[in-house]
Amino acid sequence: GIQVEQSPPDLILQEGANSTLRCNFSDSVNNLQWFHQNPWGQLINLFYIPSGTKQNGRLSATTVATERYSLLYISSSQTTDSGVYFCAVLNTGTASKLTFGTGTRLQVTL
Amino acid sequence: DSGVTQTPKHLITATGQRVTLRCSPRSGDLSVYWYQQSLDQGLQFLIQYYNGEERAKGNILERFSAQQFPDLHSELNLSSLELGDSALYFCASSVAGGRQFGETQYFGPGTRLLVL
Repeated sequence: GIQVEQSPPDLILQEGANSTLRCNFSDSVNNLQWFHQNPWGQLINLFYIPSGTKQNGRLSATTVATERYSLLYISSSQTTDSGVYFCAVLNTGTASKLTFGTGTRLQVTL
Repeated sequence: DSGVTQTPKHLITATGQRVTLRCSPRSGDLSVYWYQQSLDQGLQFLIQYYNGEERAKGNILERFSAQQFPDLHSELNLSSLELGDSALYFCASSVAGGRQFGETQYFGPGTRLLVL
């Protein structure tokens, strides 16, 4: 099946810093979603972005489908950004399940 | 708020018992998906139903079963529970069958199951 790798696995930032999270996938995809799992376990949809660039406030994401990667940018990080960020992909032409990466654990400190 | 609801939020039970998790999809969504998040396996797809019928199956154990009812809500039944079944169980929904380009899955808040 499709492989999804995320980097870095762990990230510690000071409040106000910027960061880039990366997601590599091994096959063509119909969809790609970025999630934030907060410390209470909730999975929050950030972006659905099979290709192109989207922005939502301090967050933006870019997917280059032809090169099989996606990037999530967090600017001016806040302590509420802490948690785990997951990338999940829907493989083209196969079952409709989302395959998740192992996540990037982000801690934003004061 | 994604519009997907799950009950209960927390469940504590003993080994060997049976539990039922419930999910109501977003209004208008026809597909329901179940995912399991455990410490050692990460987030894994269990099963999908589309308009009442099973559409796709993942690594779902034989002790687990699911169904989708005519009103489109879904239930995941876990039986003969073992310690290793302790996990967060998420339900997600999407508008169609899950294979359309750009089709988004919206996740519920999850049910945290603890088997003692």
